[in-house]
Amino acid sequence: QQQVKQSPQSLIVQKGGISIINCAYENTAFDYFPWYQQFPGKGPALLIAIRPDVSEKKEGRFTISFNKSAKQFSLHIMDSQPGDSATYFCAANFYDKVIFGPGTSLSVIP
Amino acid sequence: DGGITQSPKYLFRKEGQNVTLSCEQNLNHDAMYWYRQDPGQGLRLIYYSQIVNDFQKGDIAEGYSVSREKKESFPLTVTSAQKNPTAFYLCASSTGTPPDTQYFGPGTRLTVL
Repeated sequence: QQQVKQSPQSLIVQKGGISIINCAYENTAFDYFPWYQQFPGKGPALLIAIRPDVSEKKEGRFTISFNKSAKQFSLHIMDSQPGDSATYFCAANFYDKVIFGPGTSLSVIP
Repeated sequence: DGGITQSPKYLFRKEGQNVTLSCEQNLNHDAMYWYRQDPGQGLRLIYYSQIVNDFQKGDIAEGYSVSREKKESFPLTVTSAQKNPTAFYLCASSTGTPPDTQYFGPGTRLTVL
């Protein structure tokens, strides 16, 4: 099953709060799990990524939590800022392709 | 500056016309990809190429065609056979060596009138 599920579809968070986006997959052949950030009218850009042999990766205010047994992973954005307002895509690498989730539109309000 | 360029940024087409979207990269990447983005549907793979003169269909290749004559270039033609071509089209490239980061261009918004 080459699909990545993502929730919620949209998210509104107050400035300074924590944004959490969840993803799930079925295919155990996926071997790399990146998150991409996309601002309106622009192409996506890599935000942070994790390998399945690691349970957590943190880069600044962004953290990926990975649960291999549950086939789930999530993005946490600490101290969310209005500049974080964007669409976030979780993804999974499969051989020579990347499978993207449907995206989460995040709005951080002052 | 290394990166991916797509042109034009906005494109309008009449029904029944073919149109070609340009994608050029100077990252020396082997692999290049075309995605279509529609609201609420994420990115769907149209075609991809791992090497010059070779390409594979993605999940929604019908109504599209590509060529890869040069490593730097991967143009996408949206043919009149594509039933609903109005969308945001994104080109990406990667080294082709897993695990891979995809580098995206700024996109072309195609509107069929």
